[in-house]
Amino acid sequence: EDQVTQSPEALRLQEGESSSLNCSYTVSGLRGLFWYRQDPGKGPEFLFTLYSAGEEKEKERLKATLTKKESFLHITAPKPEDSATYLCAVRTMNTGFQKLVFGTGTRLLVSP
Amino acid sequence: DADVTQTPRNRITKTGKRIMLECSQTKGHDRMYWYRQDPGLGLRLIYYSFDVKDINKGEISDGYSVSRQAQAKFSLSLESAIPNQTALYFCAVGGDSGELFFGEGSRLTVL
Repeated sequence: EDQVTQSPEALRLQEGESSSLNCSYTVSGLRGLFWYRQDPGKGPEFLFTLYSAGEEKEKERLKATLTKKESFLHITAPKPEDSATYLCAVRTMNTGFQKLVFGTGTRLLVSP
Repeated sequence: DADVTQTPRNRITKTGKRIMLECSQTKGHDRMYWYRQDPGLGLRLIYYSFDVKDINKGEISDGYSVSRQAQAKFSLSLESAIPNQTALYFCAVGGDSGELFFGEGSRLTVL
């Protein structure tokens, strides 16, 4: 069974304090790993797709990386507006285009 | 205007009532999905549709039904709502690379 685990569940940072969020996966043939940002009461917002180990994607203060077992979302010099829940999801040989398997997310709070 | 629009955004109802949540999209893609989000459980797939004539059950379809009225419209119904269907419901549209584009959500409370 395809599984996605995110850690930590919650993370509190001071503004400017860089850190990383982890998404580890056990799947049968990865066909894409997706990162989303979700603000309270809103729908998840697509950030990145990664397809193969070694791939990296960047957007402003965020950088996503992928290995054969996990993905990291690095947040450099975060600002309070980066506070949100970050979700990781995978598409696999089992799921195809049918669905994404989601992790339960990391709640990030950045204090001024 | 949002690419994926859900109505209503909030609904409070009573046990046994029939509820319909509606979703419309302007992204022009064929694949549409309904997910449910509960604290600690993440997003779980209820139903998905690849075109007007194609409807498929997800992992938690019991107690729900759907209708794909047009390429751009996908509705979720609770025939007889129960309290454990209280949750945040999301409609999503599938992009060309497998990514999903979500609506703003419909918060449903069943008393």
